[in-house]
Amino acid sequence: SAVISQKPSRDICQRGTSLTIQCQVDSQVTMMFWYRQQPGQSLTLIATANQGSEATYESGFVIDKFPISRPNLTFSTLTVSNMSPEDSSIYLCSVEDLGSGSESDYEQYFGPGTRLTVT
Amino acid sequence: QKEVEQNSGPLSVPEGAIASLNCTYSDRGSQSFFWYRQYSGKSPELIMSIYSNGDKEDGRFTAQLNKASQYVSLLIRDSQPSDSATYLCAVDQTGANNLFFGTGTRLTVIP
Repeated sequence: SAVISQKPSRDICQRGTSLTIQCQVDSQVTMMFWYRQQPGQSLTLIATANQGSEATYESGFVIDKFPISRPNLTFSTLTVSNMSPEDSSIYLCSVEDLGSGSESDYEQYFGPGTRLTVT
Repeated sequence: QKEVEQNSGPLSVPEGAIASLNCTYSDRGSQSFFWYRQYSGKSPELIMSIYSNGDKEDGRFTAQLNKASQYVSLLIRDSQPSDSATYLCAVDQTGANNLFFGTGTRLTVIP
């Protein structure tokens, strides 16, 4: 499966500021995804990012708050804008890759995550 | 409303026992189902995928899918303390690889 890295691994930010999270993959992938995992909660999909097109946002997430870039097939960024303490969360990128089994469809693999704390 | 439900646990089993984790989903048209393992402070790790009704085995792990009952489960045989983690059920309910996750079941394997 693809090897995924994220930067930064963690950050502490002041409210009202913005943070850009980078996601790098070691191979070309068509679809990349951004998730949020709030403390003690499960994962929630923020948006899907395809190269060459606008990101598709899930209900409850808007581009002004979470702008996403996808300049090529190995890289994406997620910006958390005008942060508040409620944005404190782990942000994860994932990529779609073809599974290895005989009946496999595309599977998602996650990066290590970015732990964001907003004070 | 698209939902994926899991028993949050915690589920405790003795070392060597079978751990059984369950998940139900609301969208009858769902086609792809996944189990992820997440250790504390780490990101989710894919351990099983299943697409057809029945059982799928991979080492000590068996995934079971019943689309008629909208039910997917994960069995872990010969449970080890290293299996202690939160197990997340994920369902692709749109066919676009947009995964909906359950809240996870925390498993503790007692030595």
